[in-house]
Amino acid sequence: GAVVSQHPSWVICKSGTSVKIECRSLDFQATTMFWYRQFPKQSLMLMATSNEGSKATYEQGVEKDKFLINHASLTLSTLTVTSAHPEDSSFYICSAGGSAGEANYGYTFGSGTRLTVV
Amino acid sequence: AQSVTQLGSHVSVSEGALVLLRCNYSSSVPPYLFWYVQYPNQGLQLLLKYTSAATLVKGINGFEAEFKKSETSFHLTKPSAHMSDAAEYFCAVSEGQGAQKLVFGQGTRLTINP
Repeated sequence: GAVVSQHPSWVICKSGTSVKIECRSLDFQATTMFWYRQFPKQSLMLMATSNEGSKATYEQGVEKDKFLINHASLTLSTLTVTSAHPEDSSFYICSAGGSAGEANYGYTFGSGTRLTVV
Repeated sequence: AQSVTQLGSHVSVSEGALVLLRCNYSSSVPPYLFWYVQYPNQGLQLLLKYTSAATLVKGINGFEAEFKKSETSFHLTKPSAHMSDAAEYFCAVSEGQGAQKLVFGQGTRLTINP
């Protein structure tokens, strides 16, 4: 149980375009989802926390207009990188937490999305 | 605020040798602690977690960790390293029961020598 699916795994986009990343909880209801960013050979940095049906809470220094997060249902959250630039190239990982079983502590992670902006 | 410090960004051991990855935490509330493993270009896989029950926690793939409050530590060990253990390991702390936000350490890259 507690499976989180993240798509796409890899995406290459042109500078100035937008990219949407999806994070789905497959077998539980994710009341909260977290979006992390990971630079090469570095740790994960929390970008934002989203609760189903409400606005996301962004960490300090994260541009909310650039990284749009939508959590419209209990099984889906999306991260849209708007007007992407090369410096947005990174590995993005979502994590989902719910109220059932082992998902309680938000430790079910998606497989990550490697974004490359050219 | 909570924080995690992983001592040693890179650890190298021989196959069959003991693996010891160090993690110290700082928390103003009773912590929930986690160890994750990450293989290249993949997400994180939970190895084990401490959530205020037994202080010695056993996880997957033969790993275990011991919560020591007096030392504010949660070191990860494995008696005998396998080549397949080569990966990046992250220690993380959460902000208490019911909270799910994780604060990660810097990570330790484990290399296994044949």
